[in-house]
Amino acid sequence: DSGVTQTPKHLITATGQRVTLRCSPRSGDLSVYWYQQSLDQGLQFLIQYYNGEERAKGNILERFSAQQFPDLHSELNLSSLELGDSALYFCASSAGTGLLANEKLFFGSGTQLSVL
Amino acid sequence: AQKVTQAQTEISVVEKEDVTLDCVYETRDTTYYLFWYKQPPSGELVFLIRRNSFDEQNEISGRYSWNFQKSTSSFNFTITASQVVDSAVYFCALSSLGNKLVFGAGTILRVKS
Repeated sequence: DSGVTQTPKHLITATGQRVTLRCSPRSGDLSVYWYQQSLDQGLQFLIQYYNGEERAKGNILERFSAQQFPDLHSELNLSSLELGDSALYFCASSAGTGLLANEKLFFGSGTQLSVL
Repeated sequence: AQKVTQAQTEISVVEKEDVTLDCVYETRDTTYYLFWYKQPPSGELVFLIRRNSFDEQNEISGRYSWNFQKSTSSFNFTITASQVVDSAVYFCALSSLGNKLVFGAGTILRVKS
């Protein structure tokens, strides 16, 4: 058990809808990362937050947004969903700021999103 | 741009066989870190090892060993005497300053009893 909690484990929704994925980092970790795993794109970095502030952005669509709250949990909001958004969304946390390249990321078990 | 290539999409072995998972990376940075993660059927990504670009010593941890060769930009992972519980998807990943973790496509390892 990595200590990173993601809810829900599975989510089934329809195109055009909006969903929110939730992540609680390991105790003490200040950085939260979101990754998307799909069959065609593999594991891709979406966005990182450190202590409530956005620190880095990857291949995140404009329809997607995230935030990290004062209690350090994070939410990833996906809107106007399309079939291609179906994927496994991972949250990871680390103890550092995310500026150093050597940080070990601890991953949650993911949220499987199915858009029908 | 950073890139990680895991050319082996899927490998099947019989229990107790040794198996090597290949990883080739590309980066222009002189300081970087290489990682291996395991994704068992449960779905969670589990950290296995981290190696920095200045440390080319091979590492052994139980049945696992890693061979890092800068000359060939490779960071290969060997499982000795494989077991059914080793069945998983294994990801090689690369990060450097200012760049977030970039993953390879993963190698599916199936160990049959």
